[in-house]
Amino acid sequence: NAGVMQNPRHLVRRRGQEARLRCSPMKGHSHVYWYRQLPEEGLKFMVYLQKENIIDESGMPKERFSAEFPKEGPSILRIQQVVRGDSAAYFCASSPRQFPGGTDTQYFGPGTRLTVL
Amino acid sequence: AQSVTQPDIHITVSEGASLELRCNYSYGATPYLFWYVQSPGQGLQLLLKYFSGDTLVQGIKGFEAEFKRSQSSFNLRKPSVHWSDAAEYFCAVGSMDSSYKLIFGSGTRLLVRP
Repeated sequence: NAGVMQNPRHLVRRRGQEARLRCSPMKGHSHVYWYRQLPEEGLKFMVYLQKENIIDESGMPKERFSAEFPKEGPSILRIQQVVRGDSAAYFCASSPRQFPGGTDTQYFGPGTRLTVL
Repeated sequence: AQSVTQPDIHITVSEGASLELRCNYSYGATPYLFWYVQSPGQGLQLLLKYFSGDTLVQGIKGFEAEFKRSQSSFNLRKPSVHWSDAAEYFCAVGSMDSSYKLIFGSGTRLLVRP
């Protein structure tokens, strides 16, 4: 069973360009989470998605950032008009289910390291 | 606000020595607690988790952690460190309002002396 897949692993963009980060969850997992890790810091929650639904985007910047998890295909985190402050590692995680009132283990991908020149 | 504190930014131990990495949290109820390890340039691998029950939790690679409610701590331990354990270790807690929203500590970088 393959783990969580993310691509590209490294992405370089110039200021003002768009960045598209892809995440394929583990087989059988229908819940996807995106986190951002700034240098020398822990991960910070951005967004939680299920198939075709955004459940919680409270950690995502209001502008320039969007996420989707279509019925078919990977989850996409899109950053429009990137700025230097967007340089970070972006991690995707997936889990099989969310039982009521509880949580389930999140399995992380290898991350995409975005560098904005 | 909820938070996770890992007071040690760096720890250096000799190979074969014992290890304890500290984690303290602020939380109003019984937390969901996790330890993850991140090797350089890699993603996070789950070492162990605590949801309920026995407060001493066994994980992979010989690690264990103990949940102490009175101290709001969830320290990670290993009796004998191997050189391959050198990595960054993150403690995380499930958010009180949304348990799927993991709150991470800032990490502890472990160096292992030969």
